Amino acid sequence: SQTIHQWPATLVQPVGSPLSLECTVEGTSNPNLYWYRQAAGRGLQLLFYSVGIGQISSEVPQNLSASRPQDRQFILSSKKLLLSDSGFYLCAWSVGHENTEAFFGQGTRLTVV
Amino acid sequence: GQQVMQIPQYQHVQEGEDFTTYCNSSTTLSNIQWYKQRPGGHPVFLIQLVKSGEVKKQKRLTFQFGEAKKNSSLHITATQTTDVGTYFCAVPTGTASKLTFGTGTRLQVTL
Repeated sequence: SQTIHQWPATLVQPVGSPLSLECTVEGTSNPNLYWYRQAAGRGLQLLFYSVGIGQISSEVPQNLSASRPQDRQFILSSKKLLLSDSGFYLCAWSVGHENTEAFFGQGTRLTVV
Repeated sequence: GQQVMQIPQYQHVQEGEDFTTYCNSSTTLSNIQWYKQRPGGHPVFLIQLVKSGEVKKQKRLTFQFGEAKKNSSLHITATQTTDVGTYFCAVPTGTASKLTFGTGTRLQVTL
């Protein structure tokens, strides 16, 4: 069966520090991978998605970047965090065609102080 | 871009009452999905609707896709405290199975 791992679960980082969140998927090949952000009490905003190794699409301009160094690994990064980067970050995967659901990781709650 | 609105934003019901959330799109949809997110948790897929006018049931939950495939609803009969959470609709946009999530409806159930 497929599983998705996302870590860490919580993170407190000072303003200006770097960020690296990692997500890995097991039990499937060539998944579509996504990073979403959720502000407290709000909806899900798609940040990045990837259909293959090295292929990254950005949905909104921001202080973050994403990379996919391996088929089932998706990394979210920042060189210098801002206060506004605080939120709940969710990694998700789906099978590579239109009519399939997304499976989410447990999420990382990031607080920038 | 794709606009997906959900109403209401929040609803507080007493256990045993019914609950409905509505999802409206500005464009015709190929399909629509529903997710539930418990407080502090991650979204979990509930169901997908594909056909015009489709109705699907999962125990006390009834999902409906509009005839024009531009709107959908989720109805919970006789809510329980375990139904607490935020319910999101999600629609595919563009390529790569991108999902645009609705604004969500937060359901609070009290005894």
